[in-house]
Amino acid sequence: AQSVTQPDIHITVSEGASLELRCNYSYGATPYLFWYVQSPGQGLQLLLKYFSGDTLVQGIKGFEAEFKRSQSSFNLRKPSVHWSDAAEYFCAVGGNQFYFGTGTSLTVIP
Amino acid sequence: GAGVSQTPSNKVTEKGKYVELRCDPISGHTALYWYRQSLGQGPEFLIYFQGTGAADDSGLPNDRFFAVRPEGSVSTLKIQRTERGDSAVYLCASSHASNEQFFGPGTRLTVL
Repeated sequence: AQSVTQPDIHITVSEGASLELRCNYSYGATPYLFWYVQSPGQGLQLLLKYFSGDTLVQGIKGFEAEFKRSQSSFNLRKPSVHWSDAAEYFCAVGGNQFYFGTGTSLTVIP
Repeated sequence: GAGVSQTPSNKVTEKGKYVELRCDPISGHTALYWYRQSLGQGPEFLIYFQGTGAADDSGLPNDRFFAVRPEGSVSTLKIQRTERGDSAVYLCASSHASNEQFFGPGTRLTVL
């Protein structure tokens, strides 16, 4: 069965600190992988995607993610977090139908 | 260019009523998707259209839910005999050939 697990429901980091949000997936075929960000009252915005090729992908707002097939993971990272990064982050896997994780809520402390 | 738009942004209805939620995809996008997002959860797939036809409706929770896309552009999600458990944000997304889905802002449905 296809599924996405985001083990961390809520993460708090200090501004300027590094960030890693975890994502593990279960998918029957070669996955298309995505990270979306959702701010309160806003729609989902795509941060980055992996389809094939280089397993380290760069996204918007300084985010990157690394696809590790052996670990079925697609963790999101940012070297230095900004206060404006506080939001809900969703990992998704799929092709025509997306399977989303339950999200990780990020709080940034000044 | 214009993104995916959804109307209304908020809908409050009473239990047992019928509601329609509208999605205007990005022009030229052939695929359209509906998701439902409950509080504290990730979006949950409902139905996917390729052109005018529903290519996958396996996510519709029961026969009270129905969606159409008669001309291959605008789509309407219809919910009959609404229940309090239907309260959620309903998201629409569209895509072309890249498998990248562009999401609208959602319609927040509240069933009293």
